[in-house]
Amino acid sequence: QLQLQESGPGLVKPPETLSLTCTVSGGSISSNNYYWGWIRQPPGKGLEWIGSMYYTGNTYFNPSLKSRISISVDTSKNHFSLQLNSLTATDTAVYYCARLTKSYDAFDIWGQGTMVTVSS
Amino acid sequence: SSELTQDPAVSVALGQTVRITCQGDSLRSYYASWYQQKPGQAPILVIYAKNNRPSGIPDRFSGSSSGNTASLTITGAQAEDEADYYCNSRDRDSSGRVFGTGTKVTVL
Repeated sequence: QLQLQESGPGLVKPPETLSLTCTVSGGSISSNNYYWGWIRQPPGKGLEWIGSMYYTGNTYFNPSLKSRISISVDTSKNHFSLQLNSLTATDTAVYYCARLTKSYDAFDIWGQGTMVTVSS
Repeated sequence: SSELTQDPAVSVALGQTVRITCQGDSLRSYYASWYQQKPGQAPILVIYAKNNRPSGIPDRFSGSSSGNTASLTITGAQAEDEADYYCNSRDRDSSGRVFGTGTKVTVL
């Protein structure tokens, strides 16, 4: 059973950089059947797609965040990471990682999410 | 980027049928997937590729699509179906993704 687990700091100061890692267990990140994505949800609000990546390193970003984000993969550790810079309070959210299965064209497995608060 | 619009809230009597819609230009080209999210929990996939259910999702959940609108129907709603529901699809340029604005379903 494949599982995803987010890890990272719960509190970050503005305008620092947020770094989150999603560790994949029970399966390989190096599969041509999947993309791997980051999604966030501010308190009381809806879901926002941040970006996705392929195990080869190809990345796709939300245009509204593109200038501030990077996503990378470490296949040797079976994890992928998100960096979001120039943080403000509006970046406070639960951050989820998820697997997108190409044949489904849908995010079929999600991590439990990690709450990140941006505050001085 | 594209936008996907959903009604903010709908209610349904226990055992009755409710349909949730998702509208957006990208749905003319790509299928929507649907996610159920209960308070404090991660979303779970309930419908993908227009009308396919992952293993473990009850068959009272079904999907459809026409033009720029995708729909999720719950036939015989149960108390445990009370949740927020989000649609998701590719962006118009196909390289990105976009989520709908979300619909809160209340089971009366």
